[in-house]
Amino acid sequence: GNSVTQMEGPVTLSEEAFLTINCTYTATGYPSLFWYVQYPGEGLQLLLKATKADDKGSNKGFEATYRKETTSFHLEKGSVQVSDSAVYFCALDSNYQLIWGAGTKLIIKP
Amino acid sequence: DVKVTQSSRYLVKRTGEKVFLECVQDMDHENMFWYRQDPGLGLRLIYFSYDVKMKEKGDIPEGYSVSREKKERFSLILESASTNQTSMYLCASSTTGTGLGYEQYFGPGTRLTVT
Repeated sequence: GNSVTQMEGPVTLSEEAFLTINCTYTATGYPSLFWYVQYPGEGLQLLLKATKADDKGSNKGFEATYRKETTSFHLEKGSVQVSDSAVYFCALDSNYQLIWGAGTKLIIKP
Repeated sequence: DVKVTQSSRYLVKRTGEKVFLECVQDMDHENMFWYRQDPGLGLRLIYFSYDVKMKEKGDIPEGYSVSREKKERFSLILESASTNQTSMYLCASSTTGTGLGYEQYFGPGTRLTVT
């Protein structure tokens, strides 16, 4: 069946460091792919998405490219800030539902 | 702005009590979902609904039931709360839509503690 695998956290970085959070997936067909973010004490909100191969989603300085050949959708940011500290979830859509990765906690130290 | 609201942010209940968690969306979405979120386990789907009066079991439906009498409202019911149901509960909605991906919109969550 369809599945999403994310790198385990927590990931701890210093402010202004480069961020990569890995996400790979297994799916039949060509699902849409998503990154959601959950700030402390809040619900999830959509960070970015890509609906077809080679699409790049971007928002708030974050980017991810839908790579069909490597079945990946890695999240990147060039220079992280303390305010980026949150839990990040990768997901794909499957039959009206979303299949979720386990989440990666990101901690940014000043 | 799209909005999903949940009836309580924090709730404390006793073992054996019947608990209702309410979720309302104002986007006329067809699909609604209830998840629970626990440390190290990510998001787990409890129940979802594609339409009024329709419901489908998710991955962990045991101990829960749901009700969807109106399109905008989806209720999660714990018939007899137990301590292992202490968790963060998240409601979400989505539209069947446009073929651009079934993006889900989330409420702020209800942190339920059962003592």
